[in-house]
Amino acid sequence: NAGVMQNPRHLVRRRGQEARLRCSPMKGHSHVYWYRQLPEEGLKFMVYLQKENIIDESGMPKERFSAEFPKEGPSILRIQQVVRGDSAAYFCASSPRSGQIYNSPLHFGNGTRLTVT
Amino acid sequence: AQSVTQPDIHITVSEGASLELRCNYSYGATPYLFWYVQSPGQGLQLLLKYFSGDTLVQGIKGFEAEFKRSQSSFNLRKPSVHWSDAAEYFCAVGARGDNNNDMRFGAGTRLTVKP
Repeated sequence: NAGVMQNPRHLVRRRGQEARLRCSPMKGHSHVYWYRQLPEEGLKFMVYLQKENIIDESGMPKERFSAEFPKEGPSILRIQQVVRGDSAAYFCASSPRSGQIYNSPLHFGNGTRLTVT
Repeated sequence: AQSVTQPDIHITVSEGASLELRCNYSYGATPYLFWYVQSPGQGLQLLLKYFSGDTLVQGIKGFEAEFKRSQSSFNLRKPSVHWSDAAEYFCAVGARGDNNNDMRFGAGTRLTVKP
């Protein structure tokens, strides 16, 4: 019974490169959320997706960041032209359906730790 | 929008001692409330949740939390801490609505357990 799988666990990029973070939700889950965690800060919501559909991207920076959740395959969080301030832990969470948070609390992956040098 | 405050960034307790982690929320109605635990290098694991009913909620690993509407608080407690409880603890508040993404997390409280 695999949980939420994120890879890579650690990712090092130089300034200006692209970072791609992958998330496979739990089996049977069709909703994916991305959060960013900075040191001594809580989790900041970035984006909420269903298959082939972005539901809410109000937490995403306006530039350089994008996310997708294709019909087949994992969800991808893409950061173009990374800067040092992008260094953080990025967590993916999944749930089976929306609108019923009381029945389906989020299940989190172990995160991807991005370091920009 | 709802928000949550965890006043204590870091707490140290001795093994076997009792523990209380504070959480205060801001929301116009009765919220959904959660506590999550994060071990080093790991994702977040749900400890317990409150939606309605009994204001004292039991969770996993011997934790409990009490919802106090008058104080806008949802403090996490454990009567006797074990060394394995050392971790970061996050309180979260969810709005009553259709959007799971309306969950807001506190900044976390890091728990250190002394032998």
